[in-house]
Amino acid sequence: DGGITQSPKYLFRKEGQNVTLSCEQNLNHDAMYWYRQDPGQGLRLIYYSQIVNDFQKGDIAEGYSVSREKKESFPLTVTSAQKNPTAFYLCASSVYPPGHTIYGYTFGSGTRLTVV
Amino acid sequence: AQKITQTQPGMFVQEKEAVTLDCTYDTSDQSYGLFWYKQPSSGEMIFLIYQGSYDEQNATEGRYSLNFQKARKSANLVISASQLGDSAMYFCAMREGFYNQGGKLIFGQGTELSVKP
Repeated sequence: DGGITQSPKYLFRKEGQNVTLSCEQNLNHDAMYWYRQDPGQGLRLIYYSQIVNDFQKGDIAEGYSVSREKKESFPLTVTSAQKNPTAFYLCASSVYPPGHTIYGYTFGSGTRLTVV
Repeated sequence: AQKITQTQPGMFVQEKEAVTLDCTYDTSDQSYGLFWYKQPSSGEMIFLIYQGSYDEQNATEGRYSLNFQKARKSANLVISASQLGDSAMYFCAMREGFYNQGGKLIFGQGTELSVKP
């Protein structure tokens, strides 16, 4: 079945470490997105990509980096510059351009990152 | 800038009753789409319902309906006949523009719904 796989489900990071969150989709979607969710809060956009080898900053890109070398993959690196990385991270994908479609977005099951 | 506002951090509803979750939005674009998602404690995002800005009829999907008032820029979710399994966080989201803006979704802060037996 097609979908998005995020790994790992839980991740622990020491102070000063970089960590990479994986996001893989087999839906043949062009666009992929990374969101951060803090407890009791909505989702905030970190980065998004509409096409391979291209990506744009979202609202809270500082301290994060991404790559899009393959259509299926959009890994997110949380760098040591991100001072408060403890959060729930969700990856999503969609057709692009979305047009009037309603079935555009598929979400992964998320990665819960904790700084120890 | 586009913005989504959900003013109810938490709501309680009795089982089998109807409940309305509020959502207002702000955009200068004429073409946009509005989404509602459910997020149970497991964290997954479950798509519930969609309303396009040019849709003349209010969207309905089973027990879910969207009360779309374009002039007021509101897109409230109505859940009829609440069930215990409806207890979750609910997010309103907007995609501004159909063919530009990167297709990104902007989310509100969410409303936590608790259904009482």
